[in-house]
Amino acid sequence: DIQMTQSPSSLSASLGDRVTITCRASQTISRYLNWYQQKPGKAPKLLIYVASTLQSGVPSRFSGSGSGTDFSLTISSLQPEDIATYYCQQSYNTLYTFGQGTKLEIK
Amino acid sequence: QVQLVQSGADVKKPGASVRVSCKASGYRFTGYYIHWVRQAPGQGFEWMGWINPNGGATNYAQKFRGRVNMATDTSINSVYLELTNLESDDTALYFCTRDTGSASGYDPWGQGTQVTVSA
Repeated sequence: DIQMTQSPSSLSASLGDRVTITCRASQTISRYLNWYQQKPGKAPKLLIYVASTLQSGVPSRFSGSGSGTDFSLTISSLQPEDIATYYCQQSYNTLYTFGQGTKLEIK
Repeated sequence: QVQLVQSGADVKKPGASVRVSCKASGYRFTGYYIHWVRQAPGQGFEWMGWINPNGGATNYAQKFRGRVNMATDTSINSVYLELTNLESDDTALYFCTRDTGSASGYDPWGQGTQVTVSA
């Protein structure tokens, strides 16, 4: 199985801050990396797919980058509604493994 | 709009089986695989497998083979997850989700079904 490791596991930031979350795969996954946002008690929401493509309706302050084994999700200016847990997921093979999540909080 | 609606919460005793349904609307049902993913309390996501509504082919995670079954009923645009021989570790929120295709992620997700296994 491909292991996905996110860092940090939790992050405290101020409104307006630029926030970056990283995700590392245990083997190369080309650009088959997706990012999700999950708010408490809710289903996840797809933010970015294939490393850097923004899902329709997602604000442009979200961006993704990376290829191979190292990826990142950036929020350019943190907004109150961005408080959530963020997960990366590889879709390189049919066992679509997820990272353990990064919980984003307001400082 | 594209939507997946799941059945309600369920409580089961150890050793029992549970069946969760997922009804799709707003798109061509047979055109997209449906995956099942679960999330234990306070934990991340665990992929369980997928079903192709067009023909019913399945692929299950090794961990669940032998006690998971996924099925589809195209007449009512629904898929089903059955998990047998339940243990307390199966207590989790179970999600169905649509594979968008071309390895481009899951969208949308069902609202989740809480399954609690307790004596």
